[in-house]
Amino acid sequence: GAVVSQHPSWVICKSGTSVKIECRSLDFQATTMFWYRQFPKQSLMLMATSNEGSKATYEQGVEKDKFLINHASLTLSTLTVTSAHPEDSSFYICSAPALGGRAGGEQFFGPGTRLTVL
Amino acid sequence: AQTVTQSQPEMSVQEAETVTLSCTYDTSESNYYLFWYKQPPSRQMILVIRQEAYKQQNATENRFSVNFQKAAKSFSLKISDSQLGDTAMYFCAFMKWGTGANSKLTFGKGITLSVRP
Repeated sequence: GAVVSQHPSWVICKSGTSVKIECRSLDFQATTMFWYRQFPKQSLMLMATSNEGSKATYEQGVEKDKFLINHASLTLSTLTVTSAHPEDSSFYICSAPALGGRAGGEQFFGPGTRLTVL
Repeated sequence: AQTVTQSQPEMSVQEAETVTLSCTYDTSESNYYLFWYKQPPSRQMILVIRQEAYKQQNATENRFSVNFQKAAKSFSLKISDSQLGDTAMYFCAFMKWGTGANSKLTFGKGITLSVRP
C-alpha cells in the first residue's frame, strides 16, 4: 500500500518557539492532505485540509495564525506550530487520499508526530 | 454535518472469543462510506474494514466483519477469534462521497479493546 511519512516522530521544544512538522507521500501524489490532532485516549480531531498550490482550509476553532500549513508540492505538506505553548503538546497526524483514487478510496496515514512543549 | 457515535469507551474480550464493537452515525448524505480503523499502541492508524453505503452486502476481511444497517444508521464491527494483537483503540469513521478535499473523515470517539490471554 501507499506510504505516508512524518518527520520528526517526536519533538520537544521550549515555550514560545516554533516547530515544523513534515508530511510526505512517498510513492504517490497527494493534492490534498489532512492534519489531525489527537490527545491521549481521545479521537482524532481534524484541524485543517491542506491543498497543493492553494490555501489550507481550517476547521472551526482552529487558529490559522498559530497552525500554519503549507502544501508546496504534490508530495509534501508542512504544519508549523508557531509560538508553541504547553497546551499545544499533542500527537499530530497527517493523512492523504491517493491522487486519482476513486471516491471513498482508502486514506493513508502518517505515523504521527508527538509534540512536547516545555 | 455528519456525526459518528461510539458509546462504549472500553471493552474486554478473552482470546479466541468473539467481540462486537458498536457504532451509529447520522447523515443526510445518500452516498457515503464507513470505515473501522485500528490504532494500536504504536499509534499508527490501520484500516480494518470499509463499507460502501450503496452495497447491501456486509463487508468482511478475514476475522473482521461488519453488520451494516443503513436504515438504522448502524455499523458494528465483529472480531472473531480475537487475538492478543487485536488489542488497540478502534475508531468508526464516516466519509461522504467525494474525492480530494471532500474525502475527509469524521471519526467517532473510539473504543479501547483489550484482549485477555
